[in-house]
Amino acid sequence: EPEVTQTPSHQVTQMGQEVILRCVPISNHLYFYWYRQILGQKVEFLVSFYNNEISEKSEIFDDQFSVERPDGSNFTLKIRSTKLEDSAMYFCASGPRSYGYTFGSGTRLTVV
Amino acid sequence: DAKTTQPTSMDCAEGRAANLPCNHSTISGNEYVYWYRQIHSQGPQYIIHGLKNNETNEMASLIITEDRKSSTLILPHATLRDTAVYYCIVRAYNTDKLIFGTGTRLQVFP
Repeated sequence: EPEVTQTPSHQVTQMGQEVILRCVPISNHLYFYWYRQILGQKVEFLVSFYNNEISEKSEIFDDQFSVERPDGSNFTLKIRSTKLEDSAMYFCASGPRSYGYTFGSGTRLTVV
Repeated sequence: DAKTTQPTSMDCAEGRAANLPCNHSTISGNEYVYWYRQIHSQGPQYIIHGLKNNETNEMASLIITEDRKSSTLILPHATLRDTAVYYCIVRAYNTDKLIFGTGTRLQVFP
């Protein structure tokens, strides 16, 4: 069964550093998403991306966040200047349509 | 988006049907009911969704009441691998966004 692949599985970064989380969506999928889950808390929507542009974003997704689909196969989330409160599990998701999409297994980001 | 209410936790014996209820009394006509689950700290997994008719797929059945104010997810023969947090989510037609609550923690025991 096709999977959404996220790398790395765990990333540690220093506060203030830039970090890029990488995702390889399922081939031929057109809709892409990032969610995050702070330890012990709810899964939160960050952003949706379709047709090479952001289609929706949450209040969490402020100017320090950006997304990109650089080469037609990867989908990245960049956090420009990480803060301690950015520590969370980040999930990428993709779908051939805008519902029932598939999540990856996540990247655990630890900001120290 | 309409708010959902689910029990915090449920138990189910292996091999028996697991019936997970969800209340969504403020749902509007163009909002869908989605079910996802999250096993341990893995990414959420799509299970099923519906608008007003009952739905069935290889994983589960979704029963939506006629007034659409509540629904039940049915896992017909629960296995130990079905132990997870199950989320009932109401999603408007004009957004892709899923708003996760705290869900129901289902424990399947031998």
